Amino acid sequence: DQQVKQNSPSLSVQEGRISILNCDYTNSMFDYFLWYKKYPAEGPTFLISISSIKDKNEDGRFTVFLNKSAKHLSLHIVPSQPGDSAVYFCAASDVTTSYGKLTFGQGTILTVHP
Amino acid sequence: ETGVTQSPTHLIKTRGQQVTLRCSSQSGHNTVSWYQQALGQGPQFIFQYYREEENGRGNFPPRFSGLQFPNYSSELNVNALELDDSALYLCASSLGWADTQYFGPGTRLTVL
Repeated sequence: DQQVKQNSPSLSVQEGRISILNCDYTNSMFDYFLWYKKYPAEGPTFLISISSIKDKNEDGRFTVFLNKSAKHLSLHIVPSQPGDSAVYFCAASDVTTSYGKLTFGQGTILTVHP
Repeated sequence: ETGVTQSPTHLIKTRGQQVTLRCSSQSGHNTVSWYQQALGQGPQFIFQYYREEENGRGNFPPRFSGLQFPNYSSELNVNALELDDSALYLCASSLGWADTQYFGPGTRLTVL
């Protein structure tokens, strides 16, 4: 039972353009969502998070949007840079009943071309 | 400020053996969570330790066990290794059990 899904295994974008990574979830109890970036041979690096009481959160070039009714979140990167090329994971947690357990999607490989 | 560290970096074991992986949490963090990441998949939650007590567990058999020490570092032990245990094992620490988790670089375990 895949509760968090990233349906695009890969995304290719030109430098300077917008990258949009998508994530869908099925568990309506999820109330906290995060995006992590992972380079080869490194652990996931925290990027940005959003609580279910918000629908948008920004941090520099990164913006996360949450649509609770559609059970969908997206990560926008503007402008995209070659150094952003990595695997991006979305993750969700249900803090009220499931402590700090994170449920991850399968990941999307982002390639930003110069 | 030192981040999360894990040892060893790589490990090769044979089926049936036992393995211990170690994790040092970030300074000031009292919670450690362990994840297993198979090739091409997202990390899967194994268990979490909060102030030396197991705070929650994922769908992993009892041969996966752990410990957290008074300095909040942690160990993951796996007994009776199986071929499917081959994976990247990630440790994450957080200020508290509900706070943002910061990951270490992982230990790559290969079971032959």
